[in-house]
Amino acid sequence: AQSVAQPEDQVNVAEGNPLTVKCTYSVSGNPYLFWYVQYPNRGLQFLLKYITGDNLVKGSYGFEAEFNKSQTSFHLKKPSALVSDSALYFCAVRDGNTGGFKTIFGAGTRLFVKA
Amino acid sequence: GAGVSQSPRYKVAKRGQDVALRCDPISGHVSLFWYQQALGQGPEFLTYFQNEAQLDKSGLPSDRFFAERPEGSVSTLKIQRTQQEDSAVYLCASSLTGTSGGNEQFFGPGTRLTVL
Repeated sequence: AQSVAQPEDQVNVAEGNPLTVKCTYSVSGNPYLFWYVQYPNRGLQFLLKYITGDNLVKGSYGFEAEFNKSQTSFHLKKPSALVSDSALYFCAVRDGNTGGFKTIFGAGTRLFVKA
Repeated sequence: GAGVSQSPRYKVAKRGQDVALRCDPISGHVSLFWYQQALGQGPEFLTYFQNEAQLDKSGLPSDRFFAERPEGSVSTLKIQRTQQEDSAVYLCASSLTGTSGGNEQFFGPGTRLTVL
């Protein structure tokens, strides 16, 4: 069965500092991995995905994530945080081998960026 | 262009009432998903449609939950005899194709259901 863990409920970082939001996953087949962001009073928005290819993927708003197969991780990173990055971030996984579309989301990590 | 829309945005129901939640996906999107998001949790998969075909309903919590997409566009999630544990935000998402599980999903704003 698929599962996603986001071990931190909350991450605090100062503006201008690098940020990391952690995600680990479990699937039986090849993972399709996604990050979504939820701003207050707005729907979830897609940030980036890993399907195949280069382990480092770049997405919207300067975010990037690194797929690490041996550690089954897909941590979200940004070199320099902005106050406007403060939001709720969700990691999600789908099993690429089954051909199904069921997507499992983590519980979310709230990011606070302080000016 | 228009994104995914959902109506109503807020719904209050008395325990035992039936409710119907509507989702208008992005025009031309083949795939449609329903999720349930409890307070402080991530979205939980309920069901998936490819055009009008419901290919996965493994996440529906009970037979009180029913979803349809009869013409392959608008979808309705119906909950019969609502219970307090049904209180949550119900999210709808669509994605472009039905042949690749690697497509990202576009989410609507959700319907917040409160069962009293």
